[in-house]
Amino acid sequence: GQNIDQPTEMTATEGAIVQINCTYQTSGFNGLFWYQQHAGEAPTFLSYNVLDGLEEKGRFSSFLSRSKGYSYLLLKELQMKDSASYLCAVTDSNYQLIWGAGTKLIIKP
Amino acid sequence: DAMVIQNPRYQVTQFGKPVTLSCSQTLNHNVMYWYQQKSSQAPKLLFHYYDKDFNNEADTPDNFQSRRPNTSFCFLDIRSPGLGDAAMYLCATSRGEGGGSDTQYFGPGTRLTVL
Repeated sequence: GQNIDQPTEMTATEGAIVQINCTYQTSGFNGLFWYQQHAGEAPTFLSYNVLDGLEEKGRFSSFLSRSKGYSYLLLKELQMKDSASYLCAVTDSNYQLIWGAGTKLIIKP
Repeated sequence: DAMVIQNPRYQVTQFGKPVTLSCSQTLNHNVMYWYQQKSSQAPKLLFHYYDKDFNNEADTPDNFQSRRPNTSFCFLDIRSPGLGDAAMYLCATSRGEGGGSDTQYFGPGTRLTVL
């Protein structure tokens, strides 16, 4: 079967750094997405990784290791508005997008 | 601004009363998707269209149907909503140019309540 694993919930402090992990077991791999979803709203695209390594985009960075079936999303200088769920999704060999259930990130002052 | 629009944002229906949700896009994307998302769960793909080619997910209940009359619009029909169909319904689009990097862009969603 196809599976995406993320922690259900994480808590961090405003101004700090947090790393959200994602591990996947899928039939093939054609890239990994991270989306941000605020409560009651639609997911918004954050990043796409298909090659190993770190992609940096402002305060957010995303890392991929294909050999380990592992990715993380790194959020720096946390702000209260970063409180949201972060969804990891993998494109499999059939170009189907397999979604994780998301990690709810709670930011405390 | 190019975008994905969903109407209504909130829909309340009665048990068994048909309901239609609509989605439109100004991105001129080839592919349109309908997802169902329940609280703290992954989005579940119901259907997708590549242009007018309809693709039904194997486990999508027969109670759900979809129409795409033209490139810009897509509809989700729920013939006889049950209490278990209460969820957020998300419409998304993508260019559909192939490859794993085909990013999906989402509308704001329709929150369906079944009484």
